[in-house]
Amino acid sequence: NAGVTQTPKFRVLKTGQSMTLLCAQDMNHEYMYWYRQDPGMGLRLIHYSVGEGTTAKGEVPDGYNVSRLKKQNFLLGLESAAPSQTSVYFCASRGLGQRRYNEQFFGPGTRLTVL
Amino acid sequence: KNEVEQSPQNLTAQEGEFITINCSYSVGISALHWLQQHPGGGIVSLFMLSSGKKKHGRLIATINIQEKHSSLHITASHPRDSAVYICAASGRDDKIIFGKGTRLHILP
Repeated sequence: NAGVTQTPKFRVLKTGQSMTLLCAQDMNHEYMYWYRQDPGMGLRLIHYSVGEGTTAKGEVPDGYNVSRLKKQNFLLGLESAAPSQTSVYFCASRGLGQRRYNEQFFGPGTRLTVL
Repeated sequence: KNEVEQSPQNLTAQEGEFITINCSYSVGISALHWLQQHPGGGIVSLFMLSSGKKKHGRLIATINIQEKHSSLHITASHPRDSAVYICAASGRDDKIIFGKGTRLHILP
């Protein structure tokens, strides 16, 4: 099993450009999350999904959109990138009904720079 | 005030020392998590606990629900333990709130 994968690993954008980050998990998890990690700050929740076709806002949703058309994929979109969105983005997933049902499994991260 | 506070922010110790990292939280929780982030950036879950104590190898995690406090201990620390350790609290909803992390550096 690959676990949680993220594409791409690195990206440099110019202000105003758009892009989509892809998160995929092969553990049949219901819950998926997008976080951003900035220096001196803890991981902050951008958006999350509790199942296929559902999404919800987290702590810092502005400037981002998400979609969960398939259970295994969770996409994070930046419509018009801004320098403030320079960050490392982590995707995570967790399942239900497992022995450690509340454990989150993290992807390797995407380092995004907006110039 | 952050809902999850960790101390210390940075910790340097000699190999073999007993390490303690503390976490206090102000929210009602269903579980408390300890995560490890390696210098390469990957994040792995170490423990999830809602009461008492858990042990895995040289790592021990404890939680006191009444005092809203948790500790992560590392016995016989080793340079490979050098990482950022993150405390996180999951509430009754579907979200997790993270602390800012403790950067641990073990000197050989």
